[in-house]
Amino acid sequence: GNSVTQMEGPVTLSEEAFLTINCTYTATGYPSLFWYVQYPGEGLQLLLKATKADDKGSNKGFEATYRKETTSFHLEKGSVQVSDSAVYFCALSGGFIEKLTFGTGTRLTIIP
Amino acid sequence: DSGVTQTPKHLITATGQRVTLRCSPRSGDLSVYWYQQSLDQGLQFLIQYYNGEERAKGNILERFSAQQFPDLHSELNLSSLELGDSALYFCASSVVTQGGDEQFFGPGTRLTVL
Repeated sequence: GNSVTQMEGPVTLSEEAFLTINCTYTATGYPSLFWYVQYPGEGLQLLLKATKADDKGSNKGFEATYRKETTSFHLEKGSVQVSDSAVYFCALSGGFIEKLTFGTGTRLTIIP
Repeated sequence: DSGVTQTPKHLITATGQRVTLRCSPRSGDLSVYWYQQSLDQGLQFLIQYYNGEERAKGNILERFSAQQFPDLHSELNLSSLELGDSALYFCASSVVTQGGDEQFFGPGTRLTVL
């Protein structure tokens, strides 16, 4: 079955540092890949997505590139802010209107 | 605000009891998903409905059941509750976009079983 392996946390960085959160996946066919963010006490929000190989998803300064050769979808941001502190989930969908399979989540804390 | 609503926000109950969680999807979304988020299991898919019909089932216990009504809202019923059922339960609905489909999540119902 499908699975997502995500970088273990927690991750603590200083403001303006570079962020990478690793995500690799196992899936048959051509999955769509997602990053969701969960702020304290809230539900999950879609941060970005990519639906085919070499696609780059981007939003709010975050980026991730769908790498089929390495089955990866690493999340990056060039300069993090305190407001980026949250839990980040990598996820995949095996097809159209299908369930999401999530990674374990990475808690990110940004220190001023 | 995702447009997906869930009630109640919090639920505290005792072991052996039965509860119902409610979800209203975004206007026009036909597909509803239920997920459970717990500390030990992470985020797990439970069940999916599409336009009133069950479409996919995940790691949903036999004590749990769900349905989607003609107005597309959905209910998740949890019975014979155990301590281990304490978790955050999310509902999501999906919309078809040019690049595929996206799931939008509600704020969740936090269930505490004492």
